[in-house]
Amino acid sequence: KAGVTQTPRYLIKTRGQQVTLSCSPISGHRSVSWYQQTPGQGLQFLFEYFSETQRNKGNFPGRFSGRQFSNSRSEMNVSTLELGDSALYLCASSLAPGRDQPQHFGDGTRLSIL
Amino acid sequence: GENVEQHPSTLSVQEGDSAVIKCTYSDSASNYFPWYKQELGKGPQLIIDIRSNVGEKKDQRIAVTLNKTAKHFSLHITETQPEDSAVYFCAPHYGGSQGNLIFGKGTKLSVKP
Repeated sequence: KAGVTQTPRYLIKTRGQQVTLSCSPISGHRSVSWYQQTPGQGLQFLFEYFSETQRNKGNFPGRFSGRQFSNSRSEMNVSTLELGDSALYLCASSLAPGRDQPQHFGDGTRLSIL
Repeated sequence: GENVEQHPSTLSVQEGDSAVIKCTYSDSASNYFPWYKQELGKGPQLIIDIRSNVGEKKDQRIAVTLNKTAKHFSLHITETQPEDSAVYFCAPHYGGSQGNLIFGKGTKLSVKP
């Protein structure tokens, strides 16, 4: 069974640009969550999607947005990129949303802002 | 908000020794407690989890214990091997049915051959 797939693996952008990252969940998983990982702040929750609806959102500015498609694939978008957005962006999928649903992570997209 | 503390931040052991990492959380409503292992260049990998109706769970050399009264849970690795070297994260679930995982700062485990 294939795991969570994130594309691209690496991205280099400049300040002010926008970027879209993609995540394909494990087959049969319908919930997708996004996290940002930085050396200073660690792993921080961005948002969660289920049935094409955002269920939960972390404490990030509105420049960070996402969506989910009917096949459960998800994308996240960051507009007007800032230097501080340089990070590893991780996607995790689970069978369904809920308090005790195991989440399985992809290997992330490494975003570097110049 | 939820406060998650993980100790120690670094841990160095000899191959064959045991390693213990402790995670303290503040949300008394949390009922799901996973541990993740992250190797260099990879995403976090779920290695074991426990739910609040269970006090201990074991999977080969890895075990997790939960003390809900004291609000802490611990990862135990026995007979450590060099391939256990990685960063380990606890991530208790916070916020009820609409909540999410809150990650600790991580513990860098080094197993010396």
